[in-house]
Amino acid sequence: DAGVIQSPRHEVTEMGQEVTLRCKPISGHDYLFWYRQTMMRGLELLIYFNNNVPIDDSGMPEDRFSAKMPNASFSTLKIQPSEPRDSAVYFCASSFRGAKGETQYFGPGTRLLVL
Amino acid sequence: EDQVTQSPEALRLQEGESSSLNCSYTVSGLRGLFWYRQDPGKGPEFLFTLYSAGEEKEKERLKATLTKKESFLHITAPKPEDSATYLCAVHSNAGNMLTFGGGTRLMVKP
Repeated sequence: DAGVIQSPRHEVTEMGQEVTLRCKPISGHDYLFWYRQTMMRGLELLIYFNNNVPIDDSGMPEDRFSAKMPNASFSTLKIQPSEPRDSAVYFCASSFRGAKGETQYFGPGTRLLVL
Repeated sequence: EDQVTQSPEALRLQEGESSSLNCSYTVSGLRGLFWYRQDPGKGPEFLFTLYSAGEEKEKERLKATLTKKESFLHITAPKPEDSATYLCAVHSNAGNMLTFGGGTRLMVKP
């Protein structure tokens, strides 16, 4: 398996522009997670899906952020409008619910810079 | 609320100098404790899952152990290629999310 795939790997945009980040989870996984990582705050969970349904979005910073999962193999995280404080690395992760604690597998991340 | 604290924040070792990283946690029922390795510019890479106190897992120069309050990642005779940030995370019975610690940045000098 190719693992979790994210695109783009790098994104530079100007304040006020819309940004869309994309994720393809590992085939067969039924959970998908979006994280944000910064030096100051570390790794933070933004939202997660189970079987394409959003379960917990309490980590989404504000209404400018939205996430969708139209099918089992694709998810997007959108920021509109973007602000400089959104600059961070955004990771997507996926897992399969087993009998015990599920291992999350991470993608390579999208490094976002908002000027 | 689940909490995870890792120490030290940074650790410098000479090649071959064994040491341990600590992960202290409070959680409402532990479902699993995870160790990840993260290299600069990359996503966290899964290393181990521990489920119950007393459990140990090993992989090459790394050994992870678990008690009811903390986990240790022991590094035996480290090499420069072991340099990375090591992240600890807990999965509680309360939900489906992982709570991550701040990580330990390990630097191994030749």
